[in-house]
Amino acid sequence: GAVVSQHPSWVICKSGTSVKIECRSLDFQATTMFWYRQFPKQSLMLMATSNEGSKATYEQGVEKDKFLINHASLTLSTLTVTSAHPEDSSFYICSARGPWGQTDTQYFGPGTRLTVL
Amino acid sequence: AQSVTQLDSHVSVSEGTPVLLRCNYSSSYSPSLFWYVQHPNKGLQLLLKYTSAATLVKGINGFEAEFKKSETSFHLTKPSAHMSDAAEYFCVVSDRMDSSYKLIFGSGTRLLVRP
Repeated sequence: GAVVSQHPSWVICKSGTSVKIECRSLDFQATTMFWYRQFPKQSLMLMATSNEGSKATYEQGVEKDKFLINHASLTLSTLTVTSAHPEDSSFYICSARGPWGQTDTQYFGPGTRLTVL
Repeated sequence: AQSVTQLDSHVSVSEGTPVLLRCNYSSSYSPSLFWYVQHPNKGLQLLLKYTSAATLVKGINGFEAEFKKSETSFHLTKPSAHMSDAAEYFCVVSDRMDSSYKLIFGSGTRLLVRP
């Protein structure tokens, strides 16, 4: 149980285009999801917290107009990287707060590798 | 404020020998502590977690960790390393009193397993 998926697993796009990444909780409802960014050989950096039905809360230094987050249902959150540039190339990982009884635990998706040319 | 320090950026062991990955934490309140493992280009998998029950926590794949409040440590151990254990390991803390449920990550320890 507590499986989180991400789609796509990797994407290559041209500079200036937008890319959408989906994060789904497959076997539980997730009122809260999180988006992280990970640079090579580094730890995870929290970008934002996504709550179903409300606006996302962004961490300091993260541009909310560039990284659009939508959490429209209890099983789906999306991250859209708008007007992507090469410096946005990174590994993006989502997580979902666990189901009832495991709400103190985050379950992570497999990640999305974004390469902007 | 909470923080996590993973004392070793790299640990190298021979297959079949014990594994010790060290983690120290600081937390204002009652912490929840986790160990996650990340294989190359993959997401994070939960190995085990401590949330105020037994101080010795058993996880998946033969890993376990002991919560020592007096030493503010939560070291990860395994009696016998397997080649498939080679990965990046993250020690993570959260504050059970914090309604944001944010996780604070350590910098990670890369475990290398020699044949």
